[in-house]
Amino acid sequence: AQKVTQAQTEISVVEKEDVTLDCVYETRDTTYYLFWYKQPPSGELVFLIRRNSFDEQNEISGRYSWNFQKSTSSFNFTITASQVVDSAVYFCALSPLNAGNNRKLIWGLGTSLAVNP
Amino acid sequence: EPEVTQTPSHQVTQMGQEVILRCVPISNHLYFYWYRQILGQKVEFLVSFYNNEISEKSEIFDDQFSVERPDGSNFTLKIRSTKLEDSAMYFCASRSGISTDTQYFGPGTRLTVL
Repeated sequence: AQKVTQAQTEISVVEKEDVTLDCVYETRDTTYYLFWYKQPPSGELVFLIRRNSFDEQNEISGRYSWNFQKSTSSFNFTITASQVVDSAVYFCALSPLNAGNNRKLIWGLGTSLAVNP
Repeated sequence: EPEVTQTPSHQVTQMGQEVILRCVPISNHLYFYWYRQILGQKVEFLVSFYNNEISEKSEIFDDQFSVERPDGSNFTLKIRSTKLEDSAMYFCASRSGISTDTQYFGPGTRLTVL
């Protein structure tokens, strides 16, 4: 089965706090991509990061960092020194590289992050 | 920076009516997708399209749905006879298929069926 679990439905923090959003995935594929997308209140889906299953290096982009651990099938996302503008729903998604090059995205339920001033 | 566009941003229709949602993917992208998101719920895959044909569709994508790329730039989703439960945000996405597997999404069309 292919599945993405984001156990945290809602998180509320105060500005400047660090926050980690959890993502656990299931797949039988040995090759796959993992993604994080942000959905601000305006509703669009904004791509944040793509990670290939062969690349377990952690990545940092400004205040954002991602921790990919294949051993625990997790791809967690940390926002350092959160800001009000980070308030959004964050989705983790899995794209198994099955035969056919389809690459549909399988989504988690999302984590709603509220950053309060 | 190129982006996916979708029209209209909001469509209100009566149950049983046909609707067509339009998308203009990023030019030179080869793979196209429709997803939907019922209010407050997760994003769900509907259909993928490549080389002028459907490459995969979900259980949601029944005979009431169809997709088309009529003119080489637009990518449309048609719902023949809308039901109340079709009310959702519909997202179009495209992917180049060359050196990247990232799907880029349009801003969405909010469909309200009354």
